[in-house]
Amino acid sequence: EVQLVESGGGLGQPDRSLRLSCAASGFTFDNYAMHWVRQGPGKGLEWVSGISWNSGNIDYADSVKGRFTISRDNAKRSLYLQMNSLRAEDTALYYCVKDIGDTFYIFDYWGQGTLVTVSS
Amino acid sequence: AIHLTQSPSSLSASVGDRVTITCRASQGITSSLAWYQQKPGKAPNLLIYDASTLESGVPSRFSGSLSGTDFTLTISSLQPEDFATYFCQQFKSYPRFGGGTKVEIK
Repeated sequence: EVQLVESGGGLGQPDRSLRLSCAASGFTFDNYAMHWVRQGPGKGLEWVSGISWNSGNIDYADSVKGRFTISRDNAKRSLYLQMNSLRAEDTALYYCVKDIGDTFYIFDYWGQGTLVTVSS
Repeated sequence: AIHLTQSPSSLSASVGDRVTITCRASQGITSSLAWYQQKPGKAPNLLIYDASTLESGVPSRFSGSLSGTDFTLTISSLQPEDFATYFCQQFKSYPRFGGGTKVEIK
């Protein structure tokens, strides 16, 4: 059974940093691209960032480019999101998401999410 | 950027009804569209990709189609567990989601 478990969310102050983690199990982690997708309170879905199986291809939404960094450790079956220069508009539930293949941008498994609240 | 306009934003329907949700792309995206279902407090669940390919395990009452730049999600006979919010998503370029359609009980 595929499981994606996020951690690291919480209260972050504006202009400060947070680091999210995602532990994956139940599939061959290093065969698939992985992504972060967020959902603001009562809002729709926004893709944040994606990383290919070997970290050779990394993409970001314009809204986070230059502030967020995605990475993965295939040996640890883990995905990360370093969030710097936090803004109020980054407040959202952050989902760790598995790609259907290597960077197809089709999302077939989602974690339950970790909540990030940016406020002073 | 490719934008998706999803309609309606909400609808009320009864069990057994045929329900249709539309997603219009701002430019051609061939068949690069997926549909997701999200229930309150839960993560989204992939239903359909490549406009009409049913994800494994998804009931056959769900179907997807494409006409030009208009994509349609159809639920042939609405079941109690189908009351949820549905999102379309394009993957022709950087992924972007539609605004969602909330399907409520009439």
